[in-house]
Amino acid sequence: GAVVSQHPSWVICKSGTSVKIECRSLDFQATTMFWYRQFPKQSLMLMATSNEGSKATYEQGVEKDKFLINHASLTLSTLTVTSAHPEDSSFYICSAGTSPPDTQYFGPGTRLTVL
Amino acid sequence: GNSVTQMEGPVTLSEEAFLTINCTYTATGYPSLFWYVQYPGEGLQLLLKATKADDKGSNKGFEATYRKETTSFHLEKGSVQVSDSAVYFCALSVLSFLTFGTGTQLKVEL
Repeated sequence: GAVVSQHPSWVICKSGTSVKIECRSLDFQATTMFWYRQFPKQSLMLMATSNEGSKATYEQGVEKDKFLINHASLTLSTLTVTSAHPEDSSFYICSAGTSPPDTQYFGPGTRLTVL
Repeated sequence: GNSVTQMEGPVTLSEEAFLTINCTYTATGYPSLFWYVQYPGEGLQLLLKATKADDKGSNKGFEATYRKETTSFHLEKGSVQVSDSAVYFCALSVLSFLTFGTGTQLKVEL
């Protein structure tokens, strides 16, 4: 149990385009979903926290207009990187937690490369 | 604030060697403690966890004990395998927010 999927697993796009990444909890309802960014050989940086049906809470320094997060249902959250640039290239990982979310279950990650 | 400190890697061991990866933390409140493992090109997988002092988490031969007096949660395994090669992250959770250490890369050689 507690499986979280992400789609796509990798994506290459041109600079200036937008990319949407989906995060799904497959066998449980996730009241809270988290989006992280991981740079090579570094730890995970929390970008934002989203609760179903409400606006995401962004961490300091994360541009909310650039990284749009939608948590439309208890099993789906999406991260859209708008007007992507090469510096947005990274490994994006989502996680899902139940209530109370003592444990987060992580998706396999999405590698974004912006040319 | 909350923080997690891990020993820097990479740690290189021969197969069947004993593994210890040190982890210490500072936290406000009463954190839960976790070890996550990340295999190359993949996301994080929960390896084990402990939710209160003196609890021991264990899984796949790995274990870690929540030591409140030393604010530590060291990861140990008696005999590592090549398949254990990965990056290991120590983390704490307070009020559902995870704080990660920087990760320790483990390389196990034949």
